Amino acid sequence: ETGVTQTPRHLVMGMTNKKSLKCEQHLGHNAMYWYKQSAKKPLELMFVYNFKEQTENNSVPSRFSPECPNSSHLFLHLHTLQPEDSALYLCASTEGALSTDTQYFGPGTRLTVL
Amino acid sequence: AQKVTQAQTEISVVEKEDVTLDCVYETRDTTYYLFWYKQPPSGELVFLIRRNSFDEQNEISGRYSWNFQKSTSSFNFTITASQVVDSAVYFCALSEAGNYGQNFVFGPGTRLSVLP
Repeated sequence: ETGVTQTPRHLVMGMTNKKSLKCEQHLGHNAMYWYKQSAKKPLELMFVYNFKEQTENNSVPSRFSPECPNSSHLFLHLHTLQPEDSALYLCASTEGALSTDTQYFGPGTRLTVL
Repeated sequence: AQKVTQAQTEISVVEKEDVTLDCVYETRDTTYYLFWYKQPPSGELVFLIRRNSFDEQNEISGRYSWNFQKSTSSFNFTITASQVVDSAVYFCALSEAGNYGQNFVFGPGTRLSVLP
């Protein structure tokens, strides 16, 4: 069992809505990640947090706003999204901050922007 | 910069056939790690294996086996006696030694369909 949970699993929102995605890891890890997976595209790393500090923002538009209140929880706040933001959003965690650590993934939130 | 290529976009096999998924990588580092993940229709990426660049021994885990060859920069994955439950998208990934996640690169994935 993965140990990384994400809610909601599915989300449909309009372009003017504000919503949040939640990720929780139960593995005692210290680093957490947000990825975007669009159809026909490779996985795209969005944000990296290490010990609650953001260490990577991969040129993500400001309509995506991450929050990491502690090492176990990660949020992605969404506002004024575009239809092209429709994708599967995956959360992952690693024990440490090294890129060679194994990433453990949650089940994802499938987002549809109308 | 590192890169992972999975040339097979989609593969279909009949149950009980063996199937090999190819992965070719590029890196300038001498220290790196290679991974395979499985993504079933439910969406979650399931970790399968992690292998460092100094360990070229092949690995077998049940019906799964991996062939790591540095000479050809390949890390291929073979499923023996495939089953319908093996149907998924499989991702190969490469990470170079360094900090945080930006050095973790996924290939485009290979969609495997195992037909009954």
